[in-house]
Amino acid sequence: LAKTTQPISMDSYEGQEVNITCSHNNIATNDYITWYQQFPSQGPRFIIQGYKTKVTNEVASLFIPADRKSSTLSLPRVSLSDTAVYYCLVSAGGGGFKTIFGAGTRLFVKA
Amino acid sequence: GAVVSQHPSWVICKSGTSVKIECRSLDFQATTMFWYRQFPKQSLMLMATSNEGSKATYEQGVEKDKFLINHASLTLSTLTVTSAHPEDSSFYICSATTTSGSSAGRETQYFGPGTRLLVL
Repeated sequence: LAKTTQPISMDSYEGQEVNITCSHNNIATNDYITWYQQFPSQGPRFIIQGYKTKVTNEVASLFIPADRKSSTLSLPRVSLSDTAVYYCLVSAGGGGFKTIFGAGTRLFVKA
Repeated sequence: GAVVSQHPSWVICKSGTSVKIECRSLDFQATTMFWYRQFPKQSLMLMATSNEGSKATYEQGVEKDKFLINHASLTLSTLTVTSAHPEDSSFYICSATTTSGSSAGRETQYFGPGTRLLVL
């Protein structure tokens, strides 16, 4: 299983763009990268998933360089409600795969 | 789509009793479900992988006789904490895998809301 490394915490202000980078140097060819958001006392919520280059959805963008050894989650114009822990996970997908959570990044958005 | 529910959302029990937690995939069938435990200010720790119709696979250090997992159908998995003790107090989260909701078309884990267990 590929290990992931993220900053422990980040601070931002409302309205700013936030970029959280995750390192996964041992990512395998068939691994996908998935980001989750977790609020206190809630289960993680799926944000975005990608394999290479750039993926964008209604809440975030995911940038993955050609070597795929890192990825960056981009949150445009954060609000106070985006204060949460963000987890980057790497896994092969397919039935039966398991996911090991890293420490995650605690994002604190200030007014 | 891709909604996972857990029941109960919280439970308080006396030491020595057993507690059952249900995990359901509401709008999809999940061949694989996972159970995690999370202590305050810590990340999720995988306890076991549950496949429908077969025995669960437990992670190292997780007692299979203490944490009984049953995955009787494609939409339901249960975790029973037997003879619970105060050190079992934690936040238990399940997840189920599906391709639904993933723009990449890959199997993705969707998580339940969690169950807070407090053992007195």
